[in-house]
Amino acid sequence: EAGVVQSPRYKIIEKKQPVAFWCNPISGHNTLYWYRQNLGQGPELLIRYENEEAVDDSQLPKDRFSAERLKGVDSTLKIQPAELGDSAVYLCASSLVPGRVSSYNEQFFGPGTRLTVL
Amino acid sequence: GQQLNQSPQSMFIQEGEDVSMNCTSSSIFNTWLWYKQEPGEGPVLLIALYKAGELTSNGRLTAQFGITRKDSFLNISASIPSDVGIYFCAGQLAGTSGTYKYIFGTGTRLKVLA
Repeated sequence: EAGVVQSPRYKIIEKKQPVAFWCNPISGHNTLYWYRQNLGQGPELLIRYENEEAVDDSQLPKDRFSAERLKGVDSTLKIQPAELGDSAVYLCASSLVPGRVSSYNEQFFGPGTRLTVL
Repeated sequence: GQQLNQSPQSMFIQEGEDVSMNCTSSSIFNTWLWYKQEPGEGPVLLIALYKAGELTSNGRLTAQFGITRKDSFLNISASIPSDVGIYFCAGQLAGTSGTYKYIFGTGTRLKVLA
């Protein structure tokens, strides 16, 4: 079974440019998460989707970040315009059903997209 | 954003030694999770804990949910070179309307010397 797929794996852009990340969750997983992981830190949740609905976007900087999950399957996270402080690894994760993460509702992470803003 | 405090931040140990790390918070959680992350990969769930005082093992790994619900501990026995990686704790607290708070720790970087 394929895991969570993310692309691109690496992206280098200049500040003020737009950038987009794509995520394809595990087949059948209803819940999708986007995280940002700064160097030397743990992941921080940006947005959580249940099917196509964003149920928790309280940590998403809405002035420059946007996300969508059309049809409740794959998702795109966009930054426009990018700033130097946006350099980080952007992780996508998915779980089978809504509700809290557990060993019965495990959250599977993709490999991430490493963004460098120059 | 908020992150849980993990200690130590990093450690070098000899192969075969036991390892202990902990995670503390100022907030109460009703679930604690421990993950391992290797370079270029996302975190992978190791152990999940659901109630205060719970002690759970997964092979050479043992984790405990602190009595105060504000901390958790992870022990690795007889470490081997493939234990190298970054270990993250995560605390979870159910909120209203199906929401929940889900916060990761700052990580413990483990290096094992053969």
